[in-house]
Amino acid sequence: QMQLQESRAGPVKPGETLSLICSVSGGAVSSSNYYWGWIRQSPGKRPEWLGYVYHNDKAFYNEFLKTRVTLSVDTSSNHFSLKLTSVTVADTAVYFCVRTMRDTSGFSIDVFDLWGHGSTVIVSS
Amino acid sequence: VLTQSPATLSLSPGEGATLSCRASQIIVRTKLAWYRQKPGQPPRLIIYHTSSRASGVSDRFIGSGSETDFTLTISRLEPEDFGIYYCQQYDGLTLTFGGGTRVDLK
Repeated sequence: QMQLQESRAGPVKPGETLSLICSVSGGAVSSSNYYWGWIRQSPGKRPEWLGYVYHNDKAFYNEFLKTRVTLSVDTSSNHFSLKLTSVTVADTAVYFCVRTMRDTSGFSIDVFDLWGHGSTVIVSS
Repeated sequence: VLTQSPATLSLSPGEGATLSCRASQIIVRTKLAWYRQKPGQPPRLIIYHTSSRASGVSDRFIGSGSETDFTLTISRLEPEDFGIYYCQQYDGLTLTFGGGTRVDLK
């Protein structure tokens, strides 16, 4: 059974770059069946989709964050990554890595049926 | 923008719940999903394509709606049903979530 596990983020200061890795177990990130993504959630707020990436590194981003977000896939290490530049306190959130779902027709659809447990990121000076 | 109502429902086990999700623009091709989140956990997918239940989800959950108005109906509430429910649209280039409806134990 496939599982996702986010890395821990160390302390992040305003203006720095946040980097997270999502390790995939029980399956291959090189699979063409899924997209691999990130969703964050600030305390008491709705989830916010950041983007997702395909196994060939083709990525799609939240239009409001796309200038700051980069997603990539590392098939040799079986993980995918998030980089978020120029962070501010507003980027403080739990960051979840996610996988898109395959519907009954076999197509990947933009809903998320597998989530990691989340990595808490605090941006503070 | 997705707007959910009510903000909170306080109900007892065995009762039914009706949750609303309203979109500011028409959502075509039924691209609306529902999730439930419990404290300290990630959201869990409940419904996709407006009315299709995700794997392992009880038939007590029924999704319906079209265009801008969508509903999640839960019959005979069980203790594990309590939590925050979010709708999500996947019709646009940027996927977005609603603000949530909290279903509380009365």
